[in-house]
Amino acid sequence: DSGVTQTPKHLITATGQRVTLRCSPRSGDLSVYWYQQSLDQGLQFLIQYYNGEERAKGNILERFSAQQFPDLHSELNLSSLELGDSALYFCASSVAPSVWDGANVLTFGAGSRLTVL
Amino acid sequence: AQSVTQLGSHVSVSEGALVLLRCNYSSSVPPYLFWYVQYPNQGLQLLLKYTSAATLVKGINGFEAEFKKSETSFHLTKPSAHMSDAAEYFCAVSRGYQKVTFGIGTKLQVIP
Repeated sequence: DSGVTQTPKHLITATGQRVTLRCSPRSGDLSVYWYQQSLDQGLQFLIQYYNGEERAKGNILERFSAQQFPDLHSELNLSSLELGDSALYFCASSVAPSVWDGANVLTFGAGSRLTVL
Repeated sequence: AQSVTQLGSHVSVSEGALVLLRCNYSSSVPPYLFWYVQYPNQGLQLLLKYTSAATLVKGINGFEAEFKKSETSFHLTKPSAHMSDAAEYFCAVSRGYQKVTFGIGTKLQVIP
């Protein structure tokens, strides 16, 4: 157990629908990252939050949004789903800068597998 | 922008043979470099990291990687492959407290 909790583990839904993926970071970590892993695109960075604020944005579609709440858990919302959104969505967290040695080591959750039919 | 290139999306080795997974980086400033491993149906786990303290970095499970600035490389090696090493390996780069960029991944197959 990495300490990063993601729910649900598996999700099957239809095109056009909306889903929410949830992530609880490791205790003490302030930063949360979302990645999408698909066979053809590899591991793509979507977005990073640090202590509730958006810190960095990657290849995140406009149909997707995320937020980090005061208790530091994060949610990734995916709407108007398309077949191509089927993928593994990973959440990762990293240590706070106060204990950071300069290398941004990520701790990953087990992922949420989304299947869009 | 920083990036990493992993050469070879699939690598096969015999059990007991040397494992060599290649990674080249592109960065305008000294980077932080990482290797992560992903076992089937699991998230990624850190194998090792380079933070400029030493060019030869030792990680878990007998893996090590050498940072070569002249070649902009950070190849991952293990002297003797074990069946349990079969997994997907990702090279990654970051600069400071920013997003971590991953390579496309290399699937390692270990043949008995």
